[in-house]
Amino acid sequence: GAVVSQHPSRVICKSGTSVKIECRSLDFQATTMFWYRQFPKQSLMLMATSNEGSKATYEQGVEKDKFLINHASLTLSTLTVTSAHPEDSSFYICSARQDRVTEAFFGQGTRLTVV
Amino acid sequence: AQTVTQSQPEMSVQEAETVTLSCTYDTSESNYYLFWYKQPPSRQMILVIRQEAYKQQNATENRFSVNFQKAAKSFSLKISDSQLGDTAMYFCAFMKRSVIQGAQKLVFGQGTRLTINP
Repeated sequence: GAVVSQHPSRVICKSGTSVKIECRSLDFQATTMFWYRQFPKQSLMLMATSNEGSKATYEQGVEKDKFLINHASLTLSTLTVTSAHPEDSSFYICSARQDRVTEAFFGQGTRLTVV
Repeated sequence: AQTVTQSQPEMSVQEAETVTLSCTYDTSESNYYLFWYKQPPSRQMILVIRQEAYKQQNATENRFSVNFQKAAKSFSLKISDSQLGDTAMYFCAFMKRSVIQGAQKLVFGQGTRLTINP
């Protein structure tokens, strides 16, 4: 299957700082990328959907000014957690899908810890 | 809106046994896909099996098979000859079928934690 690379796999940042997570499709053009948040022992919660060259569509309750998503190219999307606080600590997962293709491929996830 | 329900938070079986994970969903759509994803301790999401709603035949992938009951809106996963490597969280997911397929969202169930004991 296709490969989606997410970086970093783990990050620790200080409260009040911003952190950027990258999601790259390595061998296909990802017209759509999805960002999820997963709390321990829980399911994946969709945060936003981004299409290349367009503004991201955020799910209800997700602060767009706090979770900045950029999908500038067909192989790269970034999630920036701005002014991070301890409650933003979580596991973040991206997935990517090619146009007209059913299957979405997932990155390895990023564990964010805000101290 | 679509919902997916997995009523078994945890299951545990012995190696080589067969286990069935349950999933029900609610939708008014007639064309859609259903998926089972596996999330092992590494937390990498892996597609296990996929079913197109318009296909009556149940999908099968080696030791993994589904029992798709469209009228009952039920989509269970059967794992035969279970192996230690099958230990993982399993998520059932729904996706609407659309001409704009790439942008369609996956709706996940709550997950079932499956443990295979030696």
